[in-house]
Amino acid sequence: DVVLTQTPVSLSVTLGDQASISCRSSQSLVYSDGNTYLKWYLQKPGQSPQLLIYEVSNRFSGVPDRFIGSGSGTDFTLKISRVEPEDLGVYYCFQATHDPNTFGAGTKLELK
Amino acid sequence: QVKLLQSGAALVKPGDSVKMSCKASGYTFTDYIIHWVKQSHGKSLEWIGYINPYSGGTNYNEKFKSKATLTVDKSSSTAYMEFSRLTSEDSAIYYCEVSGGYWGQGVMVTVSS
Repeated sequence: DVVLTQTPVSLSVTLGDQASISCRSSQSLVYSDGNTYLKWYLQKPGQSPQLLIYEVSNRFSGVPDRFIGSGSGTDFTLKISRVEPEDLGVYYCFQATHDPNTFGAGTKLELK
Repeated sequence: QVKLLQSGAALVKPGDSVKMSCKASGYTFTDYIIHWVKQSHGKSLEWIGYINPYSGGTNYNEKFKSKATLTVDKSSSTAYMEFSRLTSEDSAIYYCEVSGGYWGQGVMVTVSS
């Protein structure tokens, strides 16, 4: 199975700061059709996960432009500029290129 | 707007089965694949598998192949997941997700005698 390693495990920030989360894959996530099926989700406390980014860098409907996804192959990054209170929670990367699809272990974003 | 309404929490005995539902609205049910995801208490997420509501075709994570059965009822725009031979390891929250990015509210399943 593809292993997605997220770092850091937790991240303490001040509101207004930038936050950066890494997701490293044990295999290339480029599919045979040329697309890279890497997503980012945010799970706020007590809620279902919500989709932020799909195919590495595309923001889902309604997601603010302070969320920026980047990367290629096996290395991916989610940057959040100017962290706001509603951004706190656990971030997961997810790959749908290989079966079985897999999630990273999560990165908890919390206030300093 | 797109909504996925899942069935209520379930308390079941070890060895029993549970069948949970995910009713979709706000889009054409057969247009998007539905995924199912497990979240054990305080832990990360595991992908169980998906079903294509149009064809009924399924794709399972090998880990759950003998445990989960995914079906749909197109007439009611509802997807179902049945989990069998339950153990304490199956106590978790189970989510359905439309591949377009929308999630149900989750079903908490507790396995206890």
